[in-house]
Amino acid sequence: KAGVTQTPRYLIKTRGQQVTLSCSPISGHRSVSWYQQTPGQGLQFLFEYFSETQRNKGNFPGRFSGRQFSNSRSEMNVSTLELGDSALYLCASSDGGTGGLRVYGYTFGSGTRLTVV
Amino acid sequence: AQTVTQSQPEMSVQEAETVTLSCTYDTSESNYYLFWYKQPPSRQMILVIRQEAYKQQNATENRFSVNFQKAAKSFSLKISDSQLGDTAMYFCAFVPNSGYALNFGKGTSLLVTP
Repeated sequence: KAGVTQTPRYLIKTRGQQVTLSCSPISGHRSVSWYQQTPGQGLQFLFEYFSETQRNKGNFPGRFSGRQFSNSRSEMNVSTLELGDSALYLCASSDGGTGGLRVYGYTFGSGTRLTVV
Repeated sequence: AQTVTQSQPEMSVQEAETVTLSCTYDTSESNYYLFWYKQPPSRQMILVIRQEAYKQQNATENRFSVNFQKAAKSFSLKISDSQLGDTAMYFCAFVPNSGYALNFGKGTSLLVTP
C-alpha cells in the first residue's frame, strides 16, 4: 500500500509570493490534516479535511487555506508569504473515524520544506 | 486548552540499555488517544505506539512500551534494548475523542551511542 505522498519536497519562495503544497493520502483514507513544524513553535495543527469539508481549523491567519478533492487529495495554499512561514509542512492521513484512530493513528508524509527568502 | 509537555529536550542512552521518555498532558476530556511518534533525520513521522485513554492496560509494541497513568495525566515511553536506529526526535501527541487535531509536545531528542 502506498504511503502518504507530499510534493514538492523542497520549495524556495520570495516574500509576498504564494505557494501551493500537495498531499495524496493513503488509498481509502478520507481525512487529511496539515501541520506546520518550526524549531521555535514545534508542531502546530493547521486544518483537517474530511470528505472535501474542512472539519477542524487551527489558529493560523487567513493566508493559510486548503481544500480537498473528491479523490481525497489535498492542497494547502499560503498567500503573501512571510519569512516566518519558512517551515516543514507535514500532511497526515487517517480513515477519518475514531475507529481508524484507535487502530492506526495518523500516517504522515515526508513533508515539504518551504523556505521563504 | 489541551497541552502536551515533554520535559526532557535531550536524552542519551547506550546501545542495549533502557531509556524512558516522559510526557504529561492536560485535558478536560474523558476519552482521548495518545501517541508516540518518532522523527528521524529523514523527517518522516513514524508512529511508535498508541494508547486509548479508556484502556487501563499499557500498550506494548516489541521493544516499546508505555506507562499510562490517567489520573496523573502521564504517558511515558520506555525503549528497551536501545538500538542505534532509535536515534531520533520523539514526540508525544494527544487527540481528544471529540476532535481530530493532534496536539504535540515539543519533542525529546534521543541519541543512542555505541
